[in-house]
Order: sequence, then structure tokens, then C-alpha cells
Amino acid sequence: GQNIDQPTEMTATEGAIVQINCTYQTSGFNGLFWYQQHAGEAPTFLSYNVLDGLEEKGRFSSFLSRSKGYSYLLLKELQMKDSASYLCAVMDSNYQLIWGAGTKLIIKP
Amino acid sequence: EADIYQTPRYLVIGTGKKITLECSQTMGHDKMYWYQQDPGMELHLIHYSYGVNSTEKGDLSSESTVSRIRTEHFPLTLESARPSHTSQYLCASAGTGDYNEQFFGPGTRLTVL
Repeated sequence: GQNIDQPTEMTATEGAIVQINCTYQTSGFNGLFWYQQHAGEAPTFLSYNVLDGLEEKGRFSSFLSRSKGYSYLLLKELQMKDSASYLCAVMDSNYQLIWGAGTKLIIKP
Repeated sequence: EADIYQTPRYLVIGTGKKITLECSQTMGHDKMYWYQQDPGMELHLIHYSYGVNSTEKGDLSSESTVSRIRTEHFPLTLESARPSHTSQYLCASAGTGDYNEQFFGPGTRLTVL
């Protein structure tokens, strides 16, 4: 079967750095996406990785290792508005997105 | 930025009613999707479409139907709502973005009594 694993919840301090991990087992791989979802709102696109390595976009970076079936999202200089759920999704061989349950990130002052 | 709209935003109805959830996008995207999401849970694909007159079922059997008569419009219909259909329904579209990323509408929160 297809499976995406992420921690359920993480807590971090404003101004700090946090790393959210995602491991996956899917039938085929055509890229990995990270989305941010604030409570009660729709997901919004953050990043995409299809090749191994690190993609940096401002305060957010995403890393991929295809051989390990592993990705992480790195958030720097945390702000209170970063409190949200972060969803990892993999595009499988049928070009459908398989979604993780999301990691709820709580930022404390 | 994609513009994608869903109506209604909130709906409370009784068991057995027929309902249609509306979704429209103004970006000319060929691909459109319907997802169901319960609080704290992953998104489950209900239906998708890769263009006009093309619709497919996703991995979640939700006893719903969709149609795609126009590129911009992708409504979801529940013929007979049940309490088990209570959930958040999210519509998304994807076009020619750099990463083929999906853009989401604001969602419809459905409660069936």
C-alpha cells in the first residue's frame, strides 16, 4: 500500500528553527509537495522537490532523498503566523497526490 | 495566483437531501479535483477530471457524482446525504504551473443531521 508518515504535532519557539520530517512509500514517484494549512482554511502550496537535494525559498527550505524515501521541511526565524499544519504529499506513478495527515506546528512566544 | 471558488462555504442539511457543492476556477486549468478532509486527517481524493467531459473516481467511495461540462466548473452532487458525509470538502485545480501544483478553494463544511 501507499503510505506517508509525518509527526502529528510539534512545538517550537518564536525565532527558532524547526524541521518537519516526512517519510513515504508509494507506487512510483513524480515529485513531493509541501503545503501549509491554517486551521479551517484550504492548503496553500509551499514547495516542490523532484530531484535529491535542498530547495530554498526564503525562510522555508525543503529537502529530498529519493533513495531513503525521505523529505523534510525546514522553517527558519519562526513567526507566530507559522502556526499551522504542514502537509506532505507525494505524486505517484498515476500522477495522483498521496497525502500525509499533516504535522500541526505550535509556535510559542 | 489561481482563483478558485466554492459555494456554499457552510451547509447544514437533513438526512436524505440531495445537495450540490459548487466549484469554479477562472484560470483555465484543465485538471480539477474534489477532496474530503476530516479534522486532523489526510485529504482523500473523491473525484477528478482532466478536462471537459472527463471524470474519474478517486480512492474514496463517497456515493457522490461529478460533471465537467465546462472547463471552469466542476460541481459535486450527493444524491442522498447521510451523517457519514459530514466533513470538509475541498476543490482544487492544476494547470500549467511550474510544478503542476494544485490550488485549493476555501472549502465547504458540510454537516448532515
